[in-house]
Amino acid sequence: AQSVTQLGSHVSVSEGALVLLRCNYSSSVPPYLFWYVQYPNQGLQLLLKYTSAATLVKGINGFEAEFKKSETSFHLTKPSAHMSDAAEYFCAVSDGWNNDMRFGAGTRLTVKP
Amino acid sequence: NAGVTQTPKFQVLKTGQSMTLQCAQDMNHNSMYWYRQDPGMGLRLIYYSASEGTTDKGEVPNGYNVSRLNKREFSLRLESAAPSQTSVYFCASGSGSLSNTEAFFGQGTRLTVV
Repeated sequence: AQSVTQLGSHVSVSEGALVLLRCNYSSSVPPYLFWYVQYPNQGLQLLLKYTSAATLVKGINGFEAEFKKSETSFHLTKPSAHMSDAAEYFCAVSDGWNNDMRFGAGTRLTVKP
Repeated sequence: NAGVTQTPKFQVLKTGQSMTLQCAQDMNHNSMYWYRQDPGMGLRLIYYSASEGTTDKGEVPNGYNVSRLNKREFSLRLESAAPSQTSVYFCASGSGSLSNTEAFFGQGTRLTVV
């Protein structure tokens, strides 16, 4: 089965700094990849998804992620962090045709003023 | 537009008690899902329902049962709660397969089994 590994359970950045959240996947077939965000006491919300079209995917709130097959990575970035970006971020992978989507353990992002 | 609504938001159970977590969506989605979220483990799929009248096991189904009552509602039942079932439970829905379409999540139910 496919799986994802998120490097770093906690990431702290200053407001205005680059945000980089790392995700590596394992899949025996071309993967579908997702980033979800969870704000405190809320459910998850889709940030962006990769479905084999463009390798650079743009999402909501200024986030983007690049699919790199050679590195089996799908890292999430944002050029300039905002206080409102503080949340937990989950990477997820699926094979695209059934309901077996696997989530990573999550990365909690803290933004310092 | 309520989206996905879960009840209750919080629950404390004693070991061996039973309870049903309720979930309803108003987006006319075919697919509905139940996940549990545990620290350091992300979300794990318990059961899903690809359409009204069908249910299938996910990654961690043991100790749970589900019912797809109609297109809107998908309930999760714990027949005999165990401390290992202490978790945050999320219901989600989607227009198609969770694997390639967006999932919409409820706000979660925080369950503690003592």
